[in-house]
Amino acid sequence: DTAVSQTPKYLVTQMGNDKSIKCEQNLGHDTMYWYKQDSKKFLKIMFSYNNKELIINETVPNRFSPKSPDKAHLNLHINSLELGDSAVYFCASSQRPGQPDYGYTFGSGTRLTVV
Amino acid sequence: AQSVTQPDIHITVSEGASLELRCNYSYGATPYLFWYVQSPGQGLQLLLKYFSGDTLVQGIKGFEAEFKRSQSSFNLRKPSVHWSDAAEYFCAVDNYGQNFVFGPGTRLSVLP
Repeated sequence: DTAVSQTPKYLVTQMGNDKSIKCEQNLGHDTMYWYKQDSKKFLKIMFSYNNKELIINETVPNRFSPKSPDKAHLNLHINSLELGDSAVYFCASSQRPGQPDYGYTFGSGTRLTVV
Repeated sequence: AQSVTQPDIHITVSEGASLELRCNYSYGATPYLFWYVQSPGQGLQLLLKYFSGDTLVQGIKGFEAEFKRSQSSFNLRKPSVHWSDAAEYFCAVDNYGQNFVFGPGTRLSVLP
């Protein structure tokens, strides 16, 4: 049973399209995150949600909109896709800081290619 | 702002040789520190973490790391590298419980 699962694993789409990436965790964690990994492997926080509430919203274009229907799910919707959005997007979840098992559990990533 | 540096972009070692990957951080308090490994096409897997206490921490796959407050470092070590250790390694610091700040990564290549 996968702890943090993302779908789809690969996404190839044309510029201007709208797409969504889904993430689900079955670990009972309170907090979920979206990170973007660029072509140089650099990981940058985009959003975090704690128990369905938006906590972090970094300087990400407003074409990106996260949605958390419940604390086990965090989806990422992207409007009007641009070439520069091509990257690997990782979902992660964690317990609260200070818990003995505090640390991110990552999904396997979604490789988005915009053509 | 918190930051993490990994001075070595790419390291190549021979199989069986020892390994040390460097990580330095800037942080205003006692940090929570982590090392993650990313194999090609995969997500990131937690190797080990430091919260407090013993400054030498053991992780999975035979890795260990040492926290040195005076040097703001958290270097990752392995006494004998296996070919399967070839991957990208990321050091991360917890950003006051908000999120993790990751270093730029070090790519490890292993020669047979």
